[in-house]
Amino acid sequence: EVQLKESGGGLVQPGGSLRLSCVASGFTFSAYSMNWVRQAPGQGLELISYISSSSGTIYYAESVRGRFTISRDNAKNSLYLHTDRLRGEDTAVYYCARSVLGGLADWGQGTLVTVSS
Amino acid sequence: EIVLTQSPATLSLSPGERATLSCRASQSVTSYLAWYQQKPGQAPRLLIYDTSDRATGIPARFTGRGSGTDFTLTISSLEPEDFAVYYCHQRSTWPYTFGQGTKLEIK
Repeated sequence: EVQLKESGGGLVQPGGSLRLSCVASGFTFSAYSMNWVRQAPGQGLELISYISSSSGTIYYAESVRGRFTISRDNAKNSLYLHTDRLRGEDTAVYYCARSVLGGLADWGQGTLVTVSS
Repeated sequence: EIVLTQSPATLSLSPGERATLSCRASQSVTSYLAWYQQKPGQAPRLLIYDTSDRATGIPARFTGRGSGTDFTLTISSLEPEDFAVYYCHQRSTWPYTFGQGTKLEIK
C-alpha cells in the first residue's frame, strides 16, 4: 500500500521558517517525481513545487520562488520542503503528492502551516 | 501562466442524475488535463488523467473528454458519495495549475 506521511507543520511567526517532511512507503520512492501542493483554508489547490526522481529537475511556483526549497533523500524515502520568510498568505495545509503517469495519484494527509503573530 | 476556469461554480443535482462539469484553459494544454475529487477534510483523489484515462479504482460512471482548451467531466448517474468538490489540473506547462473548483451539492 502506498503511503505518504507529512510532518513538520505548526504555528510560526511571520518571517519565520519551517521544514516540512514527507516519508514515503509502499513504492520505489527513487523512481517517481514528487510534488508539494498547498491549500489555504477554504480555498483551492496550488502546486507550489516539483522535483524529479533524481532531483535533476526542480520547479517552483512564483508565489514561493526564492523562499521555499524542495529536496529529497532517496535513501531515506523522504521528500522535504524548507520554507523561509513565511508570510500570512502561506497559511495552508501542505500535501506531498506522487506523480504517476499523467496525474498526482497518491497524496498524504497533509500538514497544517499557520503563519501568525 | 495557464488559467483554468471551471463552470459552474456550484452544481445542484439529485442522486441518479447526470452531472457535467466544464474546464476551460486560457491556452492549449493538449491532452494534459486531469480531474480530482476532494471531500471535506480529505486530500484530493485523482479521478481522470490525460483527459480521459480513469485512475486505478475509479468507477466507469466518471468520463473525461476534450482537447486543447475545452474539457468536461461527466458523471453518468450520481451516487451519494459523488457529492464533493472537483478540480481540473493541467500539467502541460509549468506552473502546473488547478481550476478554482466546482462544488457538486445535493439538491
